[in-house]
Amino acid sequence: DQQVKQNSPSLSVQEGRISILNCDYTNSMFDYFLWYKKYPAEGPTFLISISSIKDKNEDGRFTVFLNKSAKHLSLHIVPSQPGDSAVYFCAASYNSGNTPLVFGKGTRLSVIA
Amino acid sequence: GAVVSQHPSRVICKSGTSVKIECRSLDFQATTMFWYRQFPKQSLMLMATSNEGSKATYEQGVEKDKFLINHASLTLSTLTVTSAHPEDSSFYICSAGRQGEPQHFGDGTRLSIL
Repeated sequence: DQQVKQNSPSLSVQEGRISILNCDYTNSMFDYFLWYKKYPAEGPTFLISISSIKDKNEDGRFTVFLNKSAKHLSLHIVPSQPGDSAVYFCAASYNSGNTPLVFGKGTRLSVIA
Repeated sequence: GAVVSQHPSRVICKSGTSVKIECRSLDFQATTMFWYRQFPKQSLMLMATSNEGSKATYEQGVEKDKFLINHASLTLSTLTVTSAHPEDSSFYICSAGRQGEPQHFGDGTRLSIL
């Protein structure tokens, strides 16, 4: 039973447009959510996170939105750049730092120039 | 720069060999490190939580006698795959975290057992 779901395995977006990556979760006890970006042959790189006490967190071109009632979060990248092409993983945990992460299967984003 | 270093990045060995993977936190002392495994087209799945100075906590279905974890210091955790078989071939990755901060990951180890 997958607790964190990324239902879109891939997404293609034109350079300069907005990329929206979606993630759903089933466990209402999760209170900390993260997005990681992964290039081939490298480990995931932390991108942005959000605590369940917030509904939005922004960092430069990246914004994460959290809808607790729908158990849904999304990552917005605007404007999208070719260097953003990677696999994006959504992850959830019960607390930041010292608790295990539960990952989705990832969404491969391709930004086309 | 990298805050978690993982070695080796790739291992190819014969069935029956034991393989040791090291995970080091470079910038901070990690009381807890995590070991994950990823099969093709799947998500990263937690194998075990490694606590400095104590026994690791393994997830259901992960054999503790096959996947030996040692966390001897605040900056080093090791995963040893004992008597590896082809079905153990996978991508193994570690992470380190501390309270109030996101986990940082190593670059992973691609293990191929022939």
